[in-house]
Amino acid sequence: AQSVTQLGSHVSVSEGALVLLRCNYSSSVPPYLFWYVQYPNQGLQLLLKYTSAATLVKGINGFEAEFKKSETSFHLTKPSAHMSDAAEYFCAVSGGRDTGRRALTFGSGTRLQVQP
Amino acid sequence: AAGVIQSPRHLIKEKRETATLKCYPIPRHDTVYWYQQGPGQDPQFLISFYEKMQSDKGSIPDRFSAQQFSDYHSELNMSSLELGDSALYFCASSFTAGGPSAETQYFGPGTRLLVL
Repeated sequence: AQSVTQLGSHVSVSEGALVLLRCNYSSSVPPYLFWYVQYPNQGLQLLLKYTSAATLVKGINGFEAEFKKSETSFHLTKPSAHMSDAAEYFCAVSGGRDTGRRALTFGSGTRLQVQP
Repeated sequence: AAGVIQSPRHLIKEKRETATLKCYPIPRHDTVYWYQQGPGQDPQFLISFYEKMQSDKGSIPDRFSAQQFSDYHSELNMSSLELGDSALYFCASSFTAGGPSAETQYFGPGTRLLVL
């Protein structure tokens, strides 16, 4: 079974400050990891993904995440927050091709607020 | 670029009625996933189809059924609706035969179902 835990249901930062959203995973097989963003009343947009290639993954809108197997973590960062980053962020895991289980298991989400 | 299309976008039903949600995947995508997101919840996987065959099953109630058609669109049929079925229903698609990129699921805007 796979699961993800997102630490902090709400994170508030000032515009221009560092964004750090935490995600820890549990998986019995090498995981595939994803970060999605959801704006109000909209669908889920892929920010970035880790599929066993480079451990430092760069995504859209200046976000990046680092896969750390020793810490079972996949934290999302952005050096400088922008007002438009305010949204709900979901970390997700799948078993990928090796297991045939491609369905995503999501964390509970982190709502990011950006203060002017 | 073409995205996942879901219809209808909003649906209001009474208890014990039936509902049908439709999903049109990105062209050339061969896999469709259905997720349910309750108010303030993370998305939960319901069911998926690959090449018109059910490929995985999650927490889909017995009252629900789904299928994928020859043109790869999918329909989620929901019967004997309950108040607790009120949620946002997402469809996602991927190109499973496409190697590592197969692990990327692209989400539609969702169908918001309200059961009264």
